[in-house]
Amino acid sequence: DAMVIQNPRYQVTQFGKPVTLSCSQTLNHNVMYWYQQKSSQAPKLLFHYYDKDFNNEADTPDNFQSRRPNTSFCFLDIRSPGLGDAAMYLCATSRDQRAYNEQFFGPGTRLTVL
Amino acid sequence: AQSVTQLDSQVPVFEEAPVELRCNYSSSVSVYLFWYVQYPNQGLQLLLKYLSGSTLVKGINGFEAEFNKSQTSFHLRKPSVHISDTAEYFCAVREDAGGTSYGKLTFGQGTILTVHP
Repeated sequence: DAMVIQNPRYQVTQFGKPVTLSCSQTLNHNVMYWYQQKSSQAPKLLFHYYDKDFNNEADTPDNFQSRRPNTSFCFLDIRSPGLGDAAMYLCATSRDQRAYNEQFFGPGTRLTVL
Repeated sequence: AQSVTQLDSQVPVFEEAPVELRCNYSSSVSVYLFWYVQYPNQGLQLLLKYLSGSTLVKGINGFEAEFNKSQTSFHLRKPSVHISDTAEYFCAVREDAGGTSYGKLTFGQGTILTVHP
């Protein structure tokens, strides 16, 4: 089945220690998104890639970076995680940027910062 | 800018009872509307979406929603819930920016549906 895969499902890191979360997709979609979802809150868009074009949300901290080396993979790098960065990180894809296209979500990676 | 309000943060209900989860949105342009479900420690799964046409849309797992433009609402309903429907439900809106322009998906705060035996 075509899908969005996130690894690992659970990640524990130490305060200030860089961490990378991974997302891959077999849908061959052009757009990939990263969302942050804190406990009991709505998902918040951090940034997205439309093909190779990177689009950052205005309020995304500089501490968060992303890479998309090819169509299938996208990475979220947190350079110096703080306690406030503990959250579920969701990757999503869509066929293109048109508003009516559904976004397909992965299962998420739950990040714990010690 | 668009916004979404889910009027109930928690909805408890007994098994086989009907349920309605309420969602209102605000936008100055045409929108597309979505309902997603999230089970514990899982990603979001699309239940249904309204793009155009009939205002009553049917989705998976027996859910349906009605788009009401005059009241800017998109309430989710199910006539008879099961224990397995216990989850968090998110209403989301995306503005139609036209062509291939990007429209951000904005989520409501979520409604936790708890189905009791």
